[in-house]
Parts: sequence; C-alpha cells; structure tokens
Amino acid sequence: TQLLEQSPQFLSIQEGENLTVYCNSSSVFSSLQWYRQEPGEGPVLLVTVVTGGEVKKLKRLTFQFGDARKDSSLHITAAQPGDTGLYLCAGAPNTNAGKSTFGDGTTLTVKP
Amino acid sequence: GAGVSQSPSNKVTEKGKDVELRCDPISGHTALYWYRQRLGQGLEFLIYFQGNSAPDKSGLPSDRFSAERTGESVSTLTIQRTQQEDSAVYLCASSFSGASYGYTFGSGTRLTVV
Repeated sequence: TQLLEQSPQFLSIQEGENLTVYCNSSSVFSSLQWYRQEPGEGPVLLVTVVTGGEVKKLKRLTFQFGDARKDSSLHITAAQPGDTGLYLCAGAPNTNAGKSTFGDGTTLTVKP
Repeated sequence: GAGVSQSPSNKVTEKGKDVELRCDPISGHTALYWYRQRLGQGLEFLIYFQGNSAPDKSGLPSDRFSAERTGESVSTLTIQRTQQEDSAVYLCASSFSGASYGYTFGSGTRLTVV
C-alpha cells in the first residue's frame, strides 16, 4: 500500500507571509498532483509534476518533485486570503492504470 | 459536458434506507473514480472504473456498497441499508485515461443519514 504523509496538518498565517507544505512517501510515484479544495466543492487540480527534481511555478505557488519521485513540496509566497483552503497531494502509480493515493491534506487559513 | 456532474448535491435519508448517487463524467474520459470524504478529512478511495469494468473495488467498505457504470459514461454508487457512519461527502472524478495527469472532480454529494 502506497501512503502519502502531508505536513503540517493545519496552518494559520497572516496575509503576506510565506509557507511550505510537504508531502512525503516511501514509495516512488510516476507523477504527483496538488489540488486545492474549498468548502462545498470538489478538489481542483493545481499542477502535475512528472520528472524527478522538477520545479513548476504557478504565479505565487512553487511546486517541487523530489529527485527520487517520493516526495514533493508546495511553497506559497506572500499568501493571500484567497489562498485559504484544503491542499491535497496525490501520487499516481507506476502504471497509467490504477488510482492515485491521496494525502490527508493541509488546511491553510490566511488571515487578512 | 464541461465538467463532472454529480447528483443530488445533498441527500438526507433515514437509517436503513437505500440511496443512489449519480456521476456524469466528462465526455470521452474513460476512467472514473469514487472517493469518500468525511468532515475535515482526506479522500478515501472507494472504486475505480476503466471503461465499464471495475478493476479495483478494494475501497468499498462493505457489501452494502456497490457501483456500476454503463456505456463508458454515467456511474451510479448505491448504498443499501444506510448507517449513520455512511454520512460523508461522496466525490466522483474522471480522467482521460488514468491517474498520471490528475483528475477532474465533481462537487460531490453530501449524504446525511439520520
């Protein structure tokens, strides 16, 4: 069974601060996704990282995939209240068939 | 359609009754997934369809839970003899072929068993 551990579980910060969320596993994934979920909605895909060591930037969000494809991080610069939500990482298996394994999520609150 | 559609969006049912939850995936998406999310928690895998077949049913919690998919399109998740512990949000997602490039999720069905 592939497991993904996210940390921290909860994060409450002031607007303008920076933060990093971590997603770690002992398993190798073919790719890893990050999602954001707002209350009453389903998760929305933010990014997919595929290559070990890959870094992707989406405005103030920076995603990194570990060299060994076992871990990932999400860094947010100058957080805004609109960034508030549940952030989930998900690892895809080493075959295109099958399902992704999800972490338990990080609940981020950005206070104005 | 433009996105994954789930119905109903909310369902309140009495303990012991059966419920059916529906998912309309994005047209052309061959893979379809059901997940369950309890309040404040992460996603719990239930079942995965590739086309009309279900190669992985390992997440179904008990034989009260079943799902089917017809015509590589609509899927129905059925819960028989509902229990209070079944209360949760049931999320459906679809993808073009598999898990590698992520899923598109619906908004979920919030099931409350009273």
